[in-house]
Amino acid sequence: NAGVTQTPKFQVLKTGQSMTLQCAQDMNHNSMYWYRQDPGMGLRLIYYSASEGTTDKGEVPNGYNVSRLNKREFSLRLESAAPSQTSVYFCASRATGNEKLFFGSGTQLSVL
Amino acid sequence: GNSVTQMEGPVTLSEEAFLTINCTYTATGYPSLFWYVQYPGEGLQLLLKATKADDKGSNKGFEATYRKETTSFHLEKGSVQVSDSAVYFCALRDRGSQGNLIFGKGTKLSVKP
Repeated sequence: NAGVTQTPKFQVLKTGQSMTLQCAQDMNHNSMYWYRQDPGMGLRLIYYSASEGTTDKGEVPNGYNVSRLNKREFSLRLESAAPSQTSVYFCASRATGNEKLFFGSGTQLSVL
Repeated sequence: GNSVTQMEGPVTLSEEAFLTINCTYTATGYPSLFWYVQYPGEGLQLLLKATKADDKGSNKGFEATYRKETTSFHLEKGSVQVSDSAVYFCALRDRGSQGNLIFGKGTKLSVKP
């Protein structure tokens, strides 16, 4: 049972570099989310997609862009990475009408 | 705005001790309340939930009761095990908004044998 799959698991970037975090779910969920997790801050919502073809900003969208490529895939892009974006990133998905979120195992990103 | 406040950690207990992790919330409507658990190196998993006042969510020996009068959803377990060591997150979902989850900051629990 794959569930929510995130790649890569670890990444180190230099300031100013760009990269895309990939997320795919095989549960036919409509809604997908990107969170970041920082020590003492809990999880904060970056962007979400309520359905294929739509995306919306969350609490902390600055410095990020997203693409809902199809129903399965929701990617997060850092165009010009900054040290403040060092964090653990989680993708999650949810079925319409169901309040349970399913999370991926996370991407640990360090920006030097 | 909506918010969730959890007790600061870390919490360290001996095996078979009683666990309480406090959680209070602020919400404009009548939210659903959740506890998620994150084991080391993994993503979050739903532990239990409650959708209306006086509901009790339970799973794996953990319980939490939705208390509207005190705006609380405290997590309890009568006898913790080493395998319960994890970070616990309280969260709410306000039905009046887009329905996105708002998380507390998390409480790290360490259980020693």
